[in-house]
Amino acid sequence: EPEVTQTPSHQVTQMGQEVILRCVPISNHLYFYWYRQILGQKVEFLVSFYNNEISEKSEIFDDQFSVERPDGSNFTLKIRSTKLEDSAMYFCASQDPDSHQPQHFGDGTRLSIL
Amino acid sequence: ILNVEQSPQSLHVQEGDSTNFTCSFPSSNFYALHWYRWETAKSPEALFVMTLNGDEKKKGRISATLNTKEGYSYLYIKGSQPEDSATYLCAFGPNNNDMRFGAGTRLTVKP
Repeated sequence: EPEVTQTPSHQVTQMGQEVILRCVPISNHLYFYWYRQILGQKVEFLVSFYNNEISEKSEIFDDQFSVERPDGSNFTLKIRSTKLEDSAMYFCASQDPDSHQPQHFGDGTRLSIL
Repeated sequence: ILNVEQSPQSLHVQEGDSTNFTCSFPSSNFYALHWYRWETAKSPEALFVMTLNGDEKKKGRISATLNTKEGYSYLYIKGSQPEDSATYLCAFGPNNNDMRFGAGTRLTVKP
């Protein structure tokens, strides 16, 4: 069965540095999402992406964050000037273009900011 | 603000017990409600997509109901087994692009 893959599985970065988290969605999916889960807290929606542009974004997704689909297969989340509080699991998900389909999640990237 | 509430936060049951938990969401502008099962160290796995008021879905021993008018969905597990231990997440969306998750119910089934 097709899967959403995320790399790296664990990223350790110094505070203030920029990180790029990568996701390869399922190939025929057209909706893409990023979520994060801070340790011990709930899964939080960051952003959704469709037709090469952001569809929705949460209050968390400020100017520090950006997403792009550079080559038609990868879907990336860039976090600039990382802060300690950005440490979390980041999940990518993709969704079939037909309405009312579930999202398919990757295994996540654990981001640790030192 | 899309507030999705799940209760209880955690639940411990004995093997063989039946159990249920609740997802509450804003009753206006409903598009869909998703239930996911999330095991530790794995990614969330879709259980159900619910779209119509009165929907009832079933997969094996797990079933779910939906009331969009009052803004809640119940997830039921009949005859719980240790392998059912996981966090059960619901996600509500007023449209396809903006699904918001609840905090989850962590279920532990003791043998």
